[in-house]
Amino acid sequence: QQQVKQSPQSLIVQKGGISIINCAYENTAFDYFPWYQQFPGKGPALLIAIRPDVSEKKEGRFTISFNKSAKQFSLHIMDSQPGDSATYFCAASRASGTYKYIFGTGTRLKVLA
Amino acid sequence: EAGVTQFPSHSVIEKGQTVTLRCDPISGHDNLYWYRRVMGKEIKFLLHFVKESKQDESGMPNNRFLAERTGGTYSTLKVQPAELEDSGVYFCASSQDFGVGEQYFGPGTRLTVT
Repeated sequence: QQQVKQSPQSLIVQKGGISIINCAYENTAFDYFPWYQQFPGKGPALLIAIRPDVSEKKEGRFTISFNKSAKQFSLHIMDSQPGDSATYFCAASRASGTYKYIFGTGTRLKVLA
Repeated sequence: EAGVTQFPSHSVIEKGQTVTLRCDPISGHDNLYWYRRVMGKEIKFLLHFVKESKQDESGMPNNRFLAERTGGTYSTLKVQPAELEDSGVYFCASSQDFGVGEQYFGPGTRLTVT
């Protein structure tokens, strides 16, 4: 049973375009939603995170949109660059217990120059 | 400040053999997590240490997996005996505070069981 569903599996975007990755979760107890970026040969690194008390968070070219009622959240990468080519993982965690992350299956993003 | 380090970066073993993976968390981080990603699937939680104590080992697949964290510093994950389905990338992560927040991941150990 997969608690966090991520789509698309892969994404190709032209340089300067907008990349959009979507995630949906089931457990309403989740209240921390990070996005991680992973380059080949490296471990995942935190890109941006949101808590459910806000509907949007922006950091530079990266924006998380959060819809609590729909139990969905998405990552938008504006003005996508070839250096953004990586695998992106959404995740969810609870603010109690062990704080383990429940990850989505990942999205391989390729930005064409 | 050094990040989370993992050793080895890659291990190829035969079915039935034993492998031990090591993780050194960021200095001062009490929380240490192990995760695993099987090819093409999600990164799955295995277990969580707080210092030397196992806080949650609900994700451990079976009793062929044994994790330890000596003195609350580095951690090892032993697989004995290894099976084909154990192949994947094993990630270690650490965090400073006990609470929800950023986990810092190591580069992973790619385990291939043939």
